[in-house]
Amino acid sequence: GEDVEQSLFLSVREGDSSVINCTYTDSSSTYLYWYKQEPGAGLQLLTYIFSNMDMKQDQRLTVLLNKKDKHLSLRIADTQTGDSAIYFCAERGSNYQLIWGAGTKLIIKP
Amino acid sequence: KAGVTQTPRYLIKTRGQQVTLSCSPISGHRSVSWYQQTPGQGLQFLFEYFSETQRNKGNFPGRFSGRQFSNSRSEMNVSTLELGDSALYLCASSDNRGRPGANVLTFGAGSRLTVL
Repeated sequence: GEDVEQSLFLSVREGDSSVINCTYTDSSSTYLYWYKQEPGAGLQLLTYIFSNMDMKQDQRLTVLLNKKDKHLSLRIADTQTGDSAIYFCAERGSNYQLIWGAGTKLIIKP
Repeated sequence: KAGVTQTPRYLIKTRGQQVTLSCSPISGHRSVSWYQQTPGQGLQFLFEYFSETQRNKGNFPGRFSGRQFSNSRSEMNVSTLELGDSALYLCASSDNRGRPGANVLTFGAGSRLTVL
């Protein structure tokens, strides 16, 4: 069946770039999303990309999409302590259902 | 614009009891989805309601049910609670109008249920 996979943890130093990776299996995905969840809170949309795009940039965030390899990444430039959170990747398939990854916990080292 | 409001934020129940959680979507949003989040299983889709009709359903037992009212507010109910039902229950709304589009979900802060 359809699946979205992410690493569970990523540790980076404050000020460095963070790259969170995600792979998916549904080749008919229409939209792919990145959500952020801070402790004790719900999920917050960071950005999304349509499947016919290969890159989207929004301030410190850069999303790269490689459709051939079914690989999505989120780059956070100049990572700050406030970026500590769990980051979820999700895809919307052709049946409009969302498939979610398990989430990547981003840990910032001082 | 007010966000998605979920009540209660925290609650403690004992095994065998039942619980009702409430969700008020963003004004104008007609789609409401419910998710269960646990450390072990991650984010699991429960169901989605659109215009008072259940449009999609996840793989949960019949003890989990929901409904949506004419003002788009939604409730979910869990009967005969089990220890494994302890989780954060998240509600999300969207302005999904049934056409292809990004259909971005806006989440509430969640209701944290503890079953003892």
